[in-house]
Amino acid sequence: AQSVTQLDSQVPVFEEAPVELRCNYSSSVSVYLFWYVQYPNQGLQLLLKYLSGSTLVKGINGFEAEFNKSQTSFHLRKPSVHISDTAEYFCAVSSPFFGNEKLTFGTGTRLTIIP
Amino acid sequence: EPEVTQTPSHQVTQMGQEVILRCVPISNHLYFYWYRQILGQKVEFLVSFYNNEISEKSEIFDDQFSVERPDGSNFTLKIRSTKLEDSAMYFCASKLNTEAFFGQGTRLTVV
Repeated sequence: AQSVTQLDSQVPVFEEAPVELRCNYSSSVSVYLFWYVQYPNQGLQLLLKYLSGSTLVKGINGFEAEFNKSQTSFHLRKPSVHISDTAEYFCAVSSPFFGNEKLTFGTGTRLTIIP
Repeated sequence: EPEVTQTPSHQVTQMGQEVILRCVPISNHLYFYWYRQILGQKVEFLVSFYNNEISEKSEIFDDQFSVERPDGSNFTLKIRSTKLEDSAMYFCASKLNTEAFFGQGTRLTVV
């Protein structure tokens, strides 16, 4: 079974400051890793994904994440946040072995940008 | 850009009533999913659907739930007799290979 832990339920950050949202996963097999963003009253939008290859992946809106297999982590970072980044961020994992594999989500981190 | 469409956006129903949540996945996608998010909690997997049959379902997806893809485009989730604890945001998702695309969700309120 796979699981995802997002230790920080809420992260307040001043505008233009850097941010890191932490994600750790547990799996007995190889994984695909994802970060989704949920803006208020909207659905889930993919920010970025790690499938294989380079451990540093870049996504939309200036976000990036680094896959660290030894620490089983996939932390999300942005060097300078904007008010529009206020949202809920979900880390998710799936297995690469079957095409129909479901996503297992973490509990989410609410990012609040302080002007 | 193609998107997953869900209707209605909000649904209020009385306990014990049947509800059908509708989704139009992206047209060339092969895998279809329903997830739910109870207010303040994480997004939970309900069921996956491939090749016109359920490929996996969670413990939440009991006999009160069913899914259909009746006409090759729509993908529906039916709850036969709703309970108060079914109140949640329900998300449909579809996938071609590695990336799942989500709809905007249907907020179901059972009163």
